[in-house]
Amino acid sequence: EAQVTQNPRYLITVTGKKLTVTCSQNMNHEYMSWYRQDPGLGLRQIYYSMNVEVTDKGDVPEGYKVSRKEKRNFPLILESPSPNQTSLYFCASSKAPRGGTEAFFGQGTRLTVV
Amino acid sequence: DAKTTQPPSMDCAEGRAANLPCNHSTISGNEYVYWYRQIHSQGPQYIIHGLKNNETNEMASLIITEDRKSSTLILPHATLRDTAVYYCIVMGTGTASKLTFGTGTRLQVTL
Repeated sequence: EAQVTQNPRYLITVTGKKLTVTCSQNMNHEYMSWYRQDPGLGLRQIYYSMNVEVTDKGDVPEGYKVSRKEKRNFPLILESPSPNQTSLYFCASSKAPRGGTEAFFGQGTRLTVV
Repeated sequence: DAKTTQPPSMDCAEGRAANLPCNHSTISGNEYVYWYRQIHSQGPQYIIHGLKNNETNEMASLIITEDRKSSTLILPHATLRDTAVYYCIVMGTGTASKLTFGTGTRLQVTL
């Protein structure tokens, strides 16, 4: 079954404690991205990756890091989480970022930073 | 990528067709129209996309006007499980293109 898997689904952490949210896809997609969703602000792109070792900033990259060492994995790293990073996070993958292709989303990670 | 305008909310009776409109008057020739939906706080789910012609799949139909300035997503027989926020997104073919989600239309399907 084609899918994007995020872990963990829920996470409560304290300010400043480094954390990683993993994302893995089994469709051999080149393009992967991370979004955060906040009430009233909708889904906003954090980072994206066009392929292995190729990453770039999205609309709200501050406070986040990513890496793409393998095609299937695209972890989101919060080096020093802060309460304003409390949000619902989604990972997505697609064959290409261009129009004409379908994106698959993970089930989300609800992060609370206290 | 072009912007889209959707009504904030709509209601539909179960079993009836749900017609969700979207305006994208600034769409350019190589931009696709996409529809995604998000049920509660789950990950967005792809529904359908099109460029010029009308499209149909097992979930829905997409009707794009001839001038491509607007489109309608049709769920032919809405069920309670179709209650969700529906996003109309216009996306180009350039390498910088991305899915930009607006506020969407909250569709409530009722008995």
